Amino acid sequence: QPHLQESGPGLVKPSETLSLTCIVSGGSLRISNFRWAWIRQSPGGGLEWIGTFYYSDNTYYNPSLKSRVTISVDTPKSQFSLKLSSVTAADTAVYFCARQPNIFDAFDIWGQGRLVSVSS
Amino acid sequence: QSALTQPASVSGSPGQSITISCTGFRSDVGNYNFVSWYQQHPGKAPQLMIYGGNKRPSGVSNRFSGSKSDDTASLTISGLQPEDEADYYCCSHSGGNNWVFGGGTKLTVL
Repeated sequence: QPHLQESGPGLVKPSETLSLTCIVSGGSLRISNFRWAWIRQSPGGGLEWIGTFYYSDNTYYNPSLKSRVTISVDTPKSQFSLKLSSVTAADTAVYFCARQPNIFDAFDIWGQGRLVSVSS
Repeated sequence: QSALTQPASVSGSPGQSITISCTGFRSDVGNYNFVSWYQQHPGKAPQLMIYGGNKRPSGVSNRFSGSKSDDTASLTISGLQPEDEADYYCCSHSGGNNWVFGGGTKLTVL
């Protein structure tokens, strides 16, 4: 089964844009049976769904983050990315990428997570 | 969309059974049969334990089971073992193409 690995800066300044990439090894992002998602977890807090990319090129976002989030896919490189603009300290979290099979609508494979701190 | 409601903590002794509830709304838990449950050990990524309300992925112990009644889903762990001590999160489809998680429950095995 595929392996997911997040990468990107661990420190972002307030008001700047957070950028992370999830590299998928052992599988194709174009397989129509799957969707690809970003989820975050604030320190000591719970999980928050950020958004999901569908193979049909549709993307859906958490309404509370929609104005600041963009998820994009680079199929030839087998990776998908997250951009979160105008960050504040409240965006400090561990960011996970995950796979969502269509047939059972859950997050079945997760990356190990990437801690991103927002601080000047 | 509001987070699903879970108890902050539950506890049980080895060999006992515990149940964690996950209460939502008609727009999420009550309207879909897609509740999933995740186990998370400290410093680790969440692991899928239950999907579709009551189905287990390959490799997950049959000590874990899920159910749903109206707007409340439940995760039951039978025959508690020390390694079950972890945080547990529920998740539900929530209208359109959105997903919402519960606040998480810390399970302590006494």
